[in-house]
Amino acid sequence: DAGVTQSPTHLIKTRGQQVTLRCSPKSGHDTVSWYQQALGQGPQFIFQYYEEEERQRGNFPDRFSGHQFPNYSSELNVNALLLGDSALYLCASSFGSGSSGEQFFGPGTRLTVL
Amino acid sequence: GENVEQHPSTLSVQEGDSAVIKCTYSDSASNYFPWYKQELGKRPQLIIDIRSNVGEKKDQRIAVTLNKTAKHFSLHITETQPEDSAVYFCAASLPPGGADGLTFGKGTHLIIQP
Repeated sequence: DAGVTQSPTHLIKTRGQQVTLRCSPKSGHDTVSWYQQALGQGPQFIFQYYEEEERQRGNFPDRFSGHQFPNYSSELNVNALLLGDSALYLCASSFGSGSSGEQFFGPGTRLTVL
Repeated sequence: GENVEQHPSTLSVQEGDSAVIKCTYSDSASNYFPWYKQELGKRPQLIIDIRSNVGEKKDQRIAVTLNKTAKHFSLHITETQPEDSAVYFCAASLPPGGADGLTFGKGTHLIIQP
């Protein structure tokens, strides 16, 4: 039984470019949440997808968008990249809407913006 | 939205001693409090969680206590071992329908001295 997987592992982009990160949830889970973790900080909630819709959103600009597919996998898109977007992007999967169920994290995608 | 404060930022204890990490939260409606362990370069791993209808929960050497009145919860690790060295994050979540996903503390770097 595969846990949460993410791709790619690492990514280097330049300012102004766009990036797409991917996440496959743990088997049996239907909800995907995305977090941004800056170096030395705790993860910060970006948004959550359930039933192919964005259900919750943290304090992130519209440059951050996402999508969930019928197989529950999800994408995070970031447009017009800024240097400050450099971080580890984590996805977490869970069962059911909301954030008060157990969330299991993927290994993350390390994004570097030059 | 929810705000979680975590202390201390660094904790050094002798192997075999106990370690205690404390967190406070701001929104009395929060009802789910997980703790994650993150080793260097790895994903956060859920180690224990507690819900607001319970005051204490134990799992072998790890325990979590919750004081809803004071909006305070703590992680207790007894008989610490070298493999306990990591960064530990507390988090809080509102019930389904609430905003903000999981709100994390800034983390505690636990160092186990041999």
